[in-house]
Amino acid sequence: DAKTTQPPSMDCAEGRAANLPCNHSTISGNEYVYWYRQIHSQGPQYIIHGLKNNETNEMASLIITEDRKSSTLILPHATLRDTAVYYCIVRVGLASNTGKLIFGQGTTLQVKP
Amino acid sequence: DSGVTQTPKHLITATGQRVTLRCSPRSGDLSVYWYQQSLDQGLQFLIHYYNGEERAKGNILERFSAQQFPDLHSELNLSSLELGDSALYFCASSVDLGGLNIQYFGAGTRLSVL
Repeated sequence: DAKTTQPPSMDCAEGRAANLPCNHSTISGNEYVYWYRQIHSQGPQYIIHGLKNNETNEMASLIITEDRKSSTLILPHATLRDTAVYYCIVRVGLASNTGKLIFGQGTTLQVKP
Repeated sequence: DSGVTQTPKHLITATGQRVTLRCSPRSGDLSVYWYQQSLDQGLQFLIHYYNGEERAKGNILERFSAQQFPDLHSELNLSSLELGDSALYFCASSVDLGGLNIQYFGAGTRLSVL
């Protein structure tokens, strides 16, 4: 699975959009980008995933660049409850015989009032 | 609530002892994953079981073992415990074994080895 690079920490004002970048310059054509988050020692929580098109769900939007070497997770209206560590993970999709997740250090997002 | 149940929530034991952590996956999920989170190592994948069979292994110590039973619940056994085994242990489940499946995590078991 391709390696990812994320900034260690970011701040965001409550009510504003939080944009979390992820670099995955060695991504392969069959690898997906996944985002999970972990709120203060709770179990990680799935947010969103995508292959090459932009994706949106009730939690967030995922923007993947055309060359797929980087992506941005967008929380449109951040709340205090979005304070968490956000993990960007790249892994093979259908061809894989295991869905194991390899977590990096992630980005600690602090939403401030 | 993710639907994944882990017991116990907290476990305090002494060095050299053996403990068993239990995980009940979401109804219908065939895959169970175990992860360890320590302060210095972050979240690390340990092992993956699918429908009772081991599918992938991470950096799991030889002192650790796991199994998945016919009813699909899983147990992680940790033996000859050392201080460094103190960590949060998470179990996750997913419907299938492949990479496209979303994993749902339990609340974790916090192990303290004294």
